Amino acid sequence: QSALTQPASVSGSPGQSITISCTGTSSDVGFYDLVSWYQQHPGKAPKLIIFEGSKRPSGISNRFSGSKSGNTAFLTFSGLQAEDEADYYCCSYAGSSTWVFGGGTKVTVL
Amino acid sequence: EVHLVESGGGLVQPGGSLRLSCAASGFTFSSHWIHWVRQVPGKGLMWVSRINGDGSSTSYADSVKGRFTIARDNAKNLLYLQMNTLRVEDTAVYFCARFPSSGAHFDHWGQGILVTVSS
Repeated sequence: QSALTQPASVSGSPGQSITISCTGTSSDVGFYDLVSWYQQHPGKAPKLIIFEGSKRPSGISNRFSGSKSGNTAFLTFSGLQAEDEADYYCCSYAGSSTWVFGGGTKVTVL
Repeated sequence: EVHLVESGGGLVQPGGSLRLSCAASGFTFSSHWIHWVRQVPGKGLMWVSRINGDGSSTSYADSVKGRFTIARDNAKNLLYLQMNTLRVEDTAVYFCARFPSSGAHFDHWGQGILVTVSS
């Protein structure tokens, strides 16, 4: 049950596109199409923004998109906005009814 | 509206026990898997445990297996986490989080409750 690997921080200017990676193994990210992404502002609960790799819940901006290649999942922001500054976590099903999160990425809007 | 509200946190000595509760409202509680996820202050999220809708199936992270027990009371819309033999490294904010009736992602979260294990 090792954590998925995310970059500690990513930054960008308003309007820029950025991508966060989430690297797992062939037993979790690479095997299941069950990667989800969460946004967390300081002192708040996480909020679901992407599920099943690329699907957006109702009410989530289409500026967020998800994808996967091999053992790595990606979260892309198209047109970074000030309110996107937060921590972002990926999560994957890891088999045997267990789940694993990434270490988190702090997104800074310059 | 879906609501999940944790309670029962606080300060406990190493080796001690604590029981967390999560009160659910706004949805058919028994139709959903519910999980516990924790977060050391300033650090990342860690999945802790899950229970299925009727309480017949549970699973745990290796780091808590044998020490923590998840349970639910569907008549009262309550989820529990019994935490025994607590360690300093169990100090964290504990969130309860729901899976939708069809899906394997956390679509609703509680606000979290702090558990501090310290002498």
